[in-house]
Amino acid sequence: AQKVTQAQTEISVVEKEDVTLDCVYETRDTTYYLFWYKQPPSGELVFLIRRNSFDEQNEISGRYSWNFQKSTSSFNFTITASQVVDSAVYFCALSEETSGSRLTFGEGTQLTVNP
Amino acid sequence: SAVISQKPSRDICQRGTSLTIQCQVDSQVTMMFWYRQQPGQSLTLIATANQGSEATYESGFVIDKFPISRPNLTFSTLTVSNMSPEDSSIYLCSVLGRRSYEQYFGPGTRLTVT
Repeated sequence: AQKVTQAQTEISVVEKEDVTLDCVYETRDTTYYLFWYKQPPSGELVFLIRRNSFDEQNEISGRYSWNFQKSTSSFNFTITASQVVDSAVYFCALSEETSGSRLTFGEGTQLTVNP
Repeated sequence: SAVISQKPSRDICQRGTSLTIQCQVDSQVTMMFWYRQQPGQSLTLIATANQGSEATYESGFVIDKFPISRPNLTFSTLTVSNMSPEDSSIYLCSVLGRRSYEQYFGPGTRLTVT
């Protein structure tokens, strides 16, 4: 069975600090997909990234970067030079190839960036 | 990515009544999903809705409580039946994007049951 764990329930930082959100997953499939979503206070879920299990290259997009390590079953998300607008709940999610695209979400991490 | 809209955006309903939530996509999509997010919690998949077939429900969700329609490739509805306060949640629909396994979400429907 697939499972996603986000151990950090809440994180609070001061603007311009770097922050890393942890995500650990469990799956028996060899082919799977990992995602990060952002949910601002408005409630909408914003897609940030998808990574498949065969691509362990780290990715950088502006201030965002993702570190995927199959050896530790982790897919961590780092925000560099955080801003107040980054304040949101961030969800990590997993989809197994055999599960028909169904997403299993972690519990989410509430990030608060203070000015 | 697909543009997804949901109606209503929010509603306050009385116990025992039913509410139908609509999900409209700006392009044809094969798979649509309905999720529930209870207050302060993560998202849980209710069912997968494919056009032309019965929806597939996840464990803990039944068709009598959450009937789903999928009349065409751009539209779906979810009904929350015989509501109780425990049904107060955000209900979100999602679709698969053109790139395989990228899933996009609608803005959600905030439901409060009194």
